[in-house]
Amino acid sequence: GQQLNQSPQSMFIQEGEDVSMNCTSSSIFNTWLWYKQDPGEGPVLLIALYKAGELTSNGRLTAQFGITRKDSFLNISASIPSDVGIYFCAGLNYGGSQGNLIFGKGTKLSVKP
Amino acid sequence: NAGVTQTPKFQVLKTGQSMTLQCAQDMNHNSMYWYRQDPGMGLRLIYYSASEGTTDKGEVPNGYNVSRLNKREFSLRLESAAPSQTSVYFCASSPPGAVYGYTFGSGTRLTVV
Repeated sequence: GQQLNQSPQSMFIQEGEDVSMNCTSSSIFNTWLWYKQDPGEGPVLLIALYKAGELTSNGRLTAQFGITRKDSFLNISASIPSDVGIYFCAGLNYGGSQGNLIFGKGTKLSVKP
Repeated sequence: NAGVTQTPKFQVLKTGQSMTLQCAQDMNHNSMYWYRQDPGMGLRLIYYSASEGTTDKGEVPNGYNVSRLNKREFSLRLESAAPSQTSVYFCASSPPGAVYGYTFGSGTRLTVV
């Protein structure tokens, strides 16, 4: 089946640093999504990307839909302690009434004050 | 808005016991999903229901059964719990095609001893 390779698996950074993570696939996707999971909670949607080459921002977060449609990137600028959590990428090919997301295994972010 | 509600939040079972995890959504979504999350494994799909009255197996269905009781509710049953089923379980829902991704519940942390 389809798989997403998300890297890095974990990051330990100092408050104020910028963060970059990415997701790659051997298959193309029509949609890329990025989720954040706070400790003890369920994943929450951060950014959705629908077009190859699209660059979308949400506050300090910026995500890009790769030109090849096989990858996506998430950047966090000037990290703060509340950025701690697990970030998941997800790819979607939708058709008809069925839409199953394929999830990466997540990037665990730790921020040192 | 409540979104996706899961009960219970925590549960400890003895090996061989049975239990049902409950999930309800109030967003009038057609599709509902059950995932399990284990360290380093990301989110793995157990079962999903594209619409009321239909259910399909996901990546890791063995040892589980599901019931789509009505449009709002989708339950997950463990008939004879095993230690390998110790995990955090997430329910999610989406409109048809999931173009805007899934909405997740806050999870049930299950320990089987």
